[in-house]
Amino acid sequence: GENVEQHPSTLSVQEGDSAVIKCTYSDSASNYFPWYKQELGKRPQLIIDIRSNVGEKKDQRIAVTLNKTAKHFSLHITETQPEDSAVYFCAASKKGNKLVFGAGTILRVKS
Amino acid sequence: DAGVIQSPRHEVTEMGQEVTLRCKPISGHDYLFWYRQTMMRGLELLIYFNNNVPIDDSGMPEDRFSAKMPNASFSTLKIQPSEPRDSAVYFCASSSTGGAVYEQYFGPGTRLTVT
Repeated sequence: GENVEQHPSTLSVQEGDSAVIKCTYSDSASNYFPWYKQELGKRPQLIIDIRSNVGEKKDQRIAVTLNKTAKHFSLHITETQPEDSAVYFCAASKKGNKLVFGAGTILRVKS
Repeated sequence: DAGVIQSPRHEVTEMGQEVTLRCKPISGHDYLFWYRQTMMRGLELLIYFNNNVPIDDSGMPEDRFSAKMPNASFSTLKIQPSEPRDSAVYFCASSSTGGAVYEQYFGPGTRLTVT
């Protein structure tokens, strides 16, 4: 089955700097790659996603890149702010239904 | 839309007791997922349904766990008997394949504590 690895497990950045979180997946048939943000005590919420027919997608300060050949995808957050502090999860899916999640990255933005 | 609704939000029970968690998916969504989240194991998919039919229950940890979806607007996850290691946050999520929309919307979760 699909296996998703996520790095780093924790990431501390200074406010205004960029943050990058990387994930690799094992199943070349996976075609949908969402990123979820989970604040303490809250539910995971989708922040951005990418499908396998696209190499990059941007939404304001957030971008995701996908390298299908290498089977890895990354989340980029620019101009980080304290409210970006949260746990971020990547996931992979075939057919867009069953998601396999990475272990999560704790992002701390220091002001 | 009210989003995915879960009840109860918190449950504290003693070992050996039966626990029933409830979920109401977003109206019109045809997929429903049950996840468990712990610090040690992260977010684990337990089971998911499509059009009320269980599709994959390979994540259900053992026979003590069971899930049902009697209709499109209601699902339950039952643990009987409960054990302390079942303590976790249980999330329900739903999605729709209409128009190839894949986003899963999570409910607020049920925090289960088994003493």
